[in-house]
Amino acid sequence: QVQLVESGGGVVQPGGPLRLSCAASGFNFRDYGMHWVRQAPDKRPEWVAFIRFDGTNKYYADSVKGRFSISKDNSKNILYLQMDSLRTEDTAVYYCATPISVSGLFDSWGQGTLVTVSS
Amino acid sequence: AIQMTQSPSSLSASVGDRVTITCRASQDIRNDLGWYQQKPGKAPKLLIYAASRLQSGVPSRFSGSGSATDFTLTISSLQPEDFATYYCLHDYTYPYTFGQGTKLEIK
Repeated sequence: QVQLVESGGGVVQPGGPLRLSCAASGFNFRDYGMHWVRQAPDKRPEWVAFIRFDGTNKYYADSVKGRFSISKDNSKNILYLQMDSLRTEDTAVYYCATPISVSGLFDSWGQGTLVTVSS
Repeated sequence: AIQMTQSPSSLSASVGDRVTITCRASQDIRNDLGWYQQKPGKAPKLLIYAASRLQSGVPSRFSGSGSATDFTLTISSLQPEDFATYYCLHDYTYPYTFGQGTKLEIK
């Protein structure tokens, strides 16, 4: 079955970097685009970034553009989110997600990893 | 970015009730809309995609309708496990955006 497992979250100071990983299994990772979605405490989810199956196109939310970078390693079945210049408002649970079914929307999600930006 | 406005923000209802949640887009998004259910501490779960298509494995008491700017999610007969927060999401173009959510509580 499809499994997505995020890691790399933790506490980081404002302005610092952090890299999140998402290990994928149970499907042909190289054939699927992947998303990052985050959710701050008691807030609505926020779409963060998307990468095409082959890595040729990437899209970002305005709130993270120029600071975050999404990438995927199809040889290792891992999705990454490099986060630089972190701000307190980036504090959230970060999920990787993918549209496995015909829906085209994120129907498979990881369990999430918590990122806390605080001094 | 396209703004998604959901209403109501909260709703109290009883088991067996029929409930409707609405979502309005700030521009025409065709039928590029989904509905998610989220329970505390869990990732959102996809219920409806393409405005009215039921995701595999989702009970038929959930239905969606609408197009262009106005959409609805209907639960025909509330069950105890349906008390949760519901979000709409457009996938018309990047950036995707979620509605602010509707918290469905037991009356």
